[in-house]
Amino acid sequence: AQSVTQPDIHITVSEGASLELRCNYSYGATPYLFWYVQSPGQGLQLLLKYFSGDTLVQGIKGFEAEFKRSQSSFNLRKPSVHWSDAAEYFCAVGLYNFNKFYFGSGTKLNVKP
Amino acid sequence: DTEVTQTPKHLVMGMTNKKSLKCEQHMGHRAMYWYKQKAKKPPELMFVYSYEKLSINESVPSRFSPECPNSSLLNLHLHALQPEDSALYLCASSQDSTANYGYTFGSGTRLTVV
Repeated sequence: AQSVTQPDIHITVSEGASLELRCNYSYGATPYLFWYVQSPGQGLQLLLKYFSGDTLVQGIKGFEAEFKRSQSSFNLRKPSVHWSDAAEYFCAVGLYNFNKFYFGSGTKLNVKP
Repeated sequence: DTEVTQTPKHLVMGMTNKKSLKCEQHMGHRAMYWYKQKAKKPPELMFVYSYEKLSINESVPSRFSPECPNSSLLNLHLHALQPEDSALYLCASSQDSTANYGYTFGSGTRLTVV
């Protein structure tokens, strides 16, 4: 069965520090991978996506993610976190040519001043 | 226009009321989705419309009734809801009937059932 795991429920980092949010997936084939961000009471905004090709993908707001097939991971990174990055982050996986997403349980990011 | 617009943003309804949620997109996307999100949980898929036809119903209770009048509009009709149905209801759309290109989400309708 397909699954998406975000091991960290909460993460707190200081403003200006680097950030890495973890995402692991379980699939038989290479899935389509996404990171979404959700501010409180808001919808989800797409940060970046990976389909194929270069395993390091750049997204909006200075985020990047790296696909590692050997580790079944798609971790999200940012070199320097801003207070406005405080939000909930969801990793999502889609199967090729299938119109359904599987979301991870989310990681809530707090940013200390 | 690169947005999915949901109305209303907030809705309070009694258990005997009938109400509707509306979702609109003008990006030419051919698939539209309803998701339900409880507090501190990821979104859960409810319905998928592909080319204006219902393609997935995730065993949603019949008190939720989706409708897709045209390719730009998606409604969710609500009747005889329970307090546990209180949640954020998210609409999304995608370019075609696959998840290949990702989804564009609306900002949601916060529903409270009293």
